[in-house]
Amino acid sequence: GAGVSQSPSNKVTEKGKDVELRCDPISGHTALYWYRQSLGQGLEFLIYFQGNSAPDKSGLPSDRFSAERTGGSVSTLTIQRTQQEDSAVYLCASSAGQKLFFGSGTQLSVL
Amino acid sequence: AQSVTQPDIHITVSEGASLELRCNYSYGATPYLFWYVQSPGQGLQLLLKYFSGDTLVQGIKGFEAEFKRSQSSFNLRKPSVHWSDAAEYFCAVDLNSGGYQKVTFGTGTKLQVIP
Repeated sequence: GAGVSQSPSNKVTEKGKDVELRCDPISGHTALYWYRQSLGQGLEFLIYFQGNSAPDKSGLPSDRFSAERTGGSVSTLTIQRTQQEDSAVYLCASSAGQKLFFGSGTQLSVL
Repeated sequence: AQSVTQPDIHITVSEGASLELRCNYSYGATPYLFWYVQSPGQGLQLLLKYFSGDTLVQGIKGFEAEFKRSQSSFNLRKPSVHWSDAAEYFCAVDLNSGGYQKVTFGTGTKLQVIP
């Protein structure tokens, strides 16, 4: 596609349920990032994939969060047993160099 | 660990006035430096970047930023602000040694433009 695509754009879930957020990066981009944007918190780094290297998971806030990237392309961010504090916009970005291209994000609301 | 600080959470300027948004980083070497803008209802967009060379870099929409090594700063400037510049601005750094990229963002500065 022409840009980074994220789905769903909005997700409302109940506390305790699992959610999966999807990111389709720009074709050919080897790097893929997940960030979380909360009110007043800026952009919080979650995880980074680069090619076939082991991902940098240092930003994942707890073991309820995990992500995978299949075939070096599509990535899925999974949040298990969601909590209200997980409510945020989850942004995905991809790059082939130093410039990041961002998707429109998934607004997650945990009730 | 590298970090980037944007000390101003919210700034209000009059249309036509000049603008300077502050950004400081803490890292031993000179990282790659960026400014991104997030307009209401839109995704993040790169304004400009600094890798090396000329310390004054020009970006899109009339923005520029100056890298000052002695101050570990990379402030964003615009001589005359337009109402359409109202947005949130993020400074970012990239640890670039060894080809590894981990782009870290500041907490952002919200810009309000008044008539």
